[in-house]
Amino acid sequence: QVQLVQSGAEMKIPGSSVKVSCKASGGNFNNYAISWVRQAPGQGLEWMGSIFPIFHTANYAQSFQGRLTITADESTSTAYMDLSSLRSEDTAVYFCARDGGADWGLDHWGQGTLVSVSS
Amino acid sequence: SYELTQPPSVSVSPGQTASITCSGDKVGDTYTCWYQQRSGQSPLLVIYQDTKRPSGIPERFSASKSGNTATLTISGTQAMDEADYYCQAWDTNTAVFGGGTRLTVL
Repeated sequence: QVQLVQSGAEMKIPGSSVKVSCKASGGNFNNYAISWVRQAPGQGLEWMGSIFPIFHTANYAQSFQGRLTITADESTSTAYMDLSSLRSEDTAVYFCARDGGADWGLDHWGQGTLVSVSS
Repeated sequence: SYELTQPPSVSVSPGQTASITCSGDKVGDTYTCWYQQRSGQSPLLVIYQDTKRPSGIPERFSASKSGNTATLTISGTQAMDEADYYCQAWDTNTAVFGGGTRLTVL
């Protein structure tokens, strides 16, 4: 049974950074990518980027280039999403998902982490 | 940038068939996935590779594709199917989501 468990809710001030973790269990962490997707209040899903842990290569959506860093620690089967220069518009629920690419889709999702950005 | 267009809302009566479309210039060039998101929950993959259902997804969920339009069909819609539905495709190494469709079961 594949499970992705994310870290808890965060409250941040504008200009700061946030790091959210996503710990995988029940599957082979190295066989899949991990994608990060966010959802602002009342809005749709927005893909942010992904990482293939065994290659340590990350791929980012254009709109997050320069502010987003995705990493992975194979020893703990944990992926991380680090978003800097936070602004109020970054207030959202952030999800990680196991990413099987075009062939398999995002087939398992974490529970989501609420990040609130406010002064 | 690549965009996927979905109707904002669809309504259906219980037991009837609901259809949700997803259109985009490159829909025909790559596999499409569909996700269900019930209120307050994480998304759930219901269709992958255009037409395939993951294990545990009811048979009433099906999908098709014609040209640059993908369609999710829910037959015999139940109250529990009320949710937001998102299509998703890939543009090179970038995942793109449609804007989502709110399915209301009246």
